[in-house]
Amino acid sequence: SYELTQPPSVSVSPGQTASITCSGDKLGDKYACWYQQKPGQSPVLVIYQNNKRPSGIPERFSGSNSGNTATLTISGTQAMDEAVYYCQAWDSSTVVFGGGTKLTVL
Amino acid sequence: QLQLQESGPGLVKPSETLSLTCTVSGGSISSSNYYWGWIRQPPGKELEWIGTVYYSGSTYYNPSLKSRVTISVDTSKNQFSLKLISVTAADTAVYYCARRSAAGNWFDPWGQGTLVTVSS
Repeated sequence: SYELTQPPSVSVSPGQTASITCSGDKLGDKYACWYQQKPGQSPVLVIYQNNKRPSGIPERFSGSNSGNTATLTISGTQAMDEAVYYCQAWDSSTVVFGGGTKLTVL
Repeated sequence: QLQLQESGPGLVKPSETLSLTCTVSGGSISSSNYYWGWIRQPPGKELEWIGTVYYSGSTYYNPSLKSRVTISVDTSKNQFSLKLISVTAADTAVYYCARRSAAGNWFDPWGQGTLVTVSS
């Protein structure tokens, strides 16, 4: 079965750029999306189709996908961005989620 | 604005059947532009896709759960439902319903989620 691998945690200072990776076999050949989940809340879509932002998502969120790795980038990270981020892709009619990355804004 | 709301028992006994319903408001479940899905999250763990249904009744299931899962749609009530048989403690989780775009594989929006505990 297809697997997506994320680092368990990433730390960033306020105002700096955070990058969260998601790795999978030939992931660049598929579309990746990203969700933000804060404690006690439902996941919120922040990036879809590799690099598109839903309405209402700040411009500081961006995405890319190439080779075996998709990346979520948060520029000018704010304290409110502290959350767990999940990547997700679609393989052989199956939805696959990554294990999640806890972003800490120190 | 589209909203989804999960409902169903919060406690299910081992070996019994978990049944949940997702009610869609602010939009039609019969839209050809969307699929409707169930995702779960055990406490403190990652998200796990359960399955997806189209308004026509076509379904797609997680292979690891396929033998125990049935997802159905009731267009007259603007609802879709999840049944998971023979549950164990490992099925304890927050269960979310969500809308999936037919144009791609992303889920948006999600319901608030409902915690289902499997315990005697």
